[in-house]
Amino acid sequence: NAGVTQTPKFQVLKTGQSMTLQCAQDMNHEYMSWYRQDPGMGLRLIHYSVGAGITDQGEVPNGYNVSRSTTEDFPLRLLSAAPSQTSVYFCASSPTVDRGNQPQHFGDGTRLSIL
Amino acid sequence: GNSVTQMEGPVTLSEEAFLTINCTYTATGYPSLFWYVQYPGEGLQLLLKATKADDKGSNKGFEATYRKETTSFHLEKGSVQVSDSAVYFCALSEHGNNRLAFGKGNQVVVIP
Repeated sequence: NAGVTQTPKFQVLKTGQSMTLQCAQDMNHEYMSWYRQDPGMGLRLIHYSVGAGITDQGEVPNGYNVSRSTTEDFPLRLLSAAPSQTSVYFCASSPTVDRGNQPQHFGDGTRLSIL
Repeated sequence: GNSVTQMEGPVTLSEEAFLTINCTYTATGYPSLFWYVQYPGEGLQLLLKATKADDKGSNKGFEATYRKETTSFHLEKGSVQVSDSAVYFCALSEHGNNRLAFGKGNQVVVIP
């Protein structure tokens, strides 16, 4: 029972490089989302998806792209990394878009450093 | 918009002490409220939740009551253990969507 799997766990990039953070869930959850966690800031929503083929912006979407071609996968792309994107990134999923009552399941995070 | 405010600063206390972490919220409508816990090097785990006014969520000795009149959802535990050392986040989601708004979190350190 893997739950939400994020890869890689750690990554160091140079400014201007691109990369994709992977997120996969095996629970057939409709809803998936990406958050970033910064010291003293809590978690902030980057992008989310309510189902395959549907994505939308969260609180801090600039500099990030997402797509949702399958129910299982929700990758996060950084097209041109900036030092301000140094953070810990969490992917989360929940069973349904159900009045917001469903708790979300989180992956273990990707720690990303931009030099 | 929606927002969650947690008390400032880390919390350090001795084993078997009483723990309270304050959480207040601002929301339109009637949100669901959650407490998540993050142990070192791990992702967030749901600790407890409440979906309507006066509901009490409880788990592992932790409790929180949804107080609509004071827009609060304070977390309490009567006797903490060293294993409770973690970061605790209060969060809310609106009815009709699953987007979570988080507080800044509180680091709890329990000393033997």
